[in-house]
Amino acid sequence: SQQGEEDPQALSIQEGENATMNCSYKTSINNLQWYRQNSGRGLVHLILIRSNEREKHSGRLRVTLDTSKKSSSLLITASRAADTASYFCATRGVGNTPLVFGKGTRLSVIA
Amino acid sequence: EAQVTQNPRYLITVTGKKLTVTCSQNMNHEYMSWYRQDPGLGLRQIYYSMNVEVTDKGDVPEGYKVSRKEKRNFPLILESPSPNQTSLYFCASSLLVTNEQFFGPGTRLTVL
Repeated sequence: SQQGEEDPQALSIQEGENATMNCSYKTSINNLQWYRQNSGRGLVHLILIRSNEREKHSGRLRVTLDTSKKSSSLLITASRAADTASYFCATRGVGNTPLVFGKGTRLSVIA
Repeated sequence: EAQVTQNPRYLITVTGKKLTVTCSQNMNHEYMSWYRQDPGLGLRQIYYSMNVEVTDKGDVPEGYKVSRKEKRNFPLILESPSPNQTSLYFCASSLLVTNEQFFGPGTRLTVL
C-alpha cells in the first residue's frame, strides 16, 4: 500500500525557531493529512489538504502540497517546547481507500 | 464531549487467552479503524469498517477479528494472542472514509 515517508526522522530545534517536516508519497491521493502524537498517546488531527489545494494554514501551522512531486511539507512557526511530539503524515488514496500513515518525524523543541 | 474511548487502557495477558479490546465513538461516525503502533514501524492498519456490518482487512489483519454490529462500537478481538501482538493499539473514527480521523487514547497490550 502507498505510504507517506517523513523526513527527517528526528529534528531538534530551539524554542522560537521554525520547524519543517517533509512527507513524500508514491501514488495519486485524494487528500493528505498531518497528525501529532505526544508520547504514547492518541494521535490528534492537525490539518487536511486536498489534492487540488496547494497550501493551507492553521494558526502557526502551514502545510504545502506539490502533487507533481508527490510531496508535502509541514511548517511550524515560532516553535514552543509544547510542540515537542511526533508528527505523522497520512495519505488517503483515490476512492474509498484507507488512510496510510508514515513512520513519523520526532520533533524536540528545546526551551 | 465528542470522543473515542477504548478499554482497557493497559492489559497484560498470557499466550492463548482470548481477549477483546472495546472501542466506542459518540460522534455518529460511519468509518472506524484499528491500528497497531510498534517502534520503527509506525502505525499499521489492522481492520477497518466503512459502516455497520461492513468490515475489511487492513495491512496486518492476521490474528485479529473485528465486528461492527452497531455504528458506535468496533471491538477488536484476539482469539489466541501471541507475544508478537504485544503493541500499542489505537482505535479511530471519522465521519466518512475521506475525513480526518479521531483517535482513542490507546491500549497498551503485553502478551507474555
